Amino acid sequence: NAGVMQNPRHLVRRRGQEARLRCSPMKGHSHVYWYRQLPEEGLKFMVYLQKENIIDESGMPKERFSAEFPKEGPSILRIQQVVRGDSAAYFCASSPPPDPDTQYFGPGTRLTVL
Amino acid sequence: DQQVKQNSPSLSVQEGRISILNCDYTNSMFDYFLWYKKYPAEGPTFLISISSIKDKNEDGRFTVFLNKSAKHLSLHIVPSQPGDSAVYFCAASGPAGNQFYFGTGTSLTVIP
Repeated sequence: NAGVMQNPRHLVRRRGQEARLRCSPMKGHSHVYWYRQLPEEGLKFMVYLQKENIIDESGMPKERFSAEFPKEGPSILRIQQVVRGDSAAYFCASSPPPDPDTQYFGPGTRLTVL
Repeated sequence: DQQVKQNSPSLSVQEGRISILNCDYTNSMFDYFLWYKKYPAEGPTFLISISSIKDKNEDGRFTVFLNKSAKHLSLHIVPSQPGDSAVYFCAASGPAGNQFYFGTGTSLTVIP
């Protein structure tokens, strides 16, 4: 059973470009969480999704950030018009239903904005 | 607003001795707590968890203690091994289970 997969592992963007981060949950997992880790900080919750539904996006910035988890395919975290402050490691985690208490993390995508 | 705090950014322990990592939280609604271990360039890996109805949970060399009145939990690793060297994050969630709040991590170094 493959673990949570994220790609790309490293992403470099110039200011103003768009960044798309992909997360494929573990097989059978229908809950996906996105976290951001800024330098010298812990992981900060961004958004919690189930298939085709955003359950909780209270941790996501209101502007420029969006997330989706379609019926088919990976979950996507999209950042439009990136700025230097978006440089961080972005982790996704998945958990199995019906008990979402334990999350399995992917290796992360390190976004660098030049 | 950091609801989960790990006040020790780093800890060094001799191999074979006990490692004690501490975590404090401020939200009394938290009812589930987890510890994750993270190696460089990898995602966090689940280690052990505890529900607020318990005060201790043990899994092999790892034991988590929860003191609800003090809003404090700790992870004990006995005996410590060099392979335990990693960053350890504690995390907490409330009844809704939607959000997990993470501490800033403690970097453990086990010296052979």
